[in-house]
Amino acid sequence: GDSVTQMEGPVTLSEEAFLTINCTYTATGYPSLFWYVQYPGEGLQLLLKATKADDKGSNKGFEATYRKETTSFHLEKGSVQVSDSAVYFCAQNGGGSGNTGKLIFGQGTTLQVKP
Amino acid sequence: DAGVIQSPRHEVTEMGQEVTLRCKPISGHNSLFWYRQTMMRGLELLIYFNNNVPIDDSGMPEDRFSAKMPNASFSTLKIQPSEPRDSAVYFCASRTGDQPQHFGDGTRLSIL
Repeated sequence: GDSVTQMEGPVTLSEEAFLTINCTYTATGYPSLFWYVQYPGEGLQLLLKATKADDKGSNKGFEATYRKETTSFHLEKGSVQVSDSAVYFCAQNGGGSGNTGKLIFGQGTTLQVKP
Repeated sequence: DAGVIQSPRHEVTEMGQEVTLRCKPISGHNSLFWYRQTMMRGLELLIYFNNNVPIDDSGMPEDRFSAKMPNASFSTLKIQPSEPRDSAVYFCASRTGDQPQHFGDGTRLSIL
């Protein structure tokens, strides 16, 4: 069935370090892909998305490229800040017939950035 | 604009009691989703509605869980009777058309 797999955390980085959080998916169709971020005590917020192969989603210095050949959507940021400390979720919508909006989430990766 | 509003933010109750969680979606959104988040199982979709109609409730754990959406601006998730293993953070999300989902801040439920 459709699934999302993320690298296990926690990921601990120093401020201004380069960030990569790996995400791969399996899907029967052609899904849209998403990264959500969850700050402590809050709900999930959409960080970026990509709807088709080779699309690059970007927001707040974060980027992710939809790679159909490797079924991946890795999240990157060139220089992290302490304020980026949060849990990051990769998700897909299955891509089956009809966009039901049902999201399949990875298990989440905790990022901790130290000053 | 107001986001998705959930209440209560925190709920602590004893096992066996009925628990009702509430959600007000963003005005104009026509789809509503209920999720449960635990350390062990991550984020799980429990049920979702389109235009107030339940479409997929395959994620509802068992008959103790029920959800309703009597109108476009209100939904409830009820657990009766509650058990300690129901302790989790419950999120509601809404969306319109094929736009991404917007999440509420969640209800942290503790069953003693």
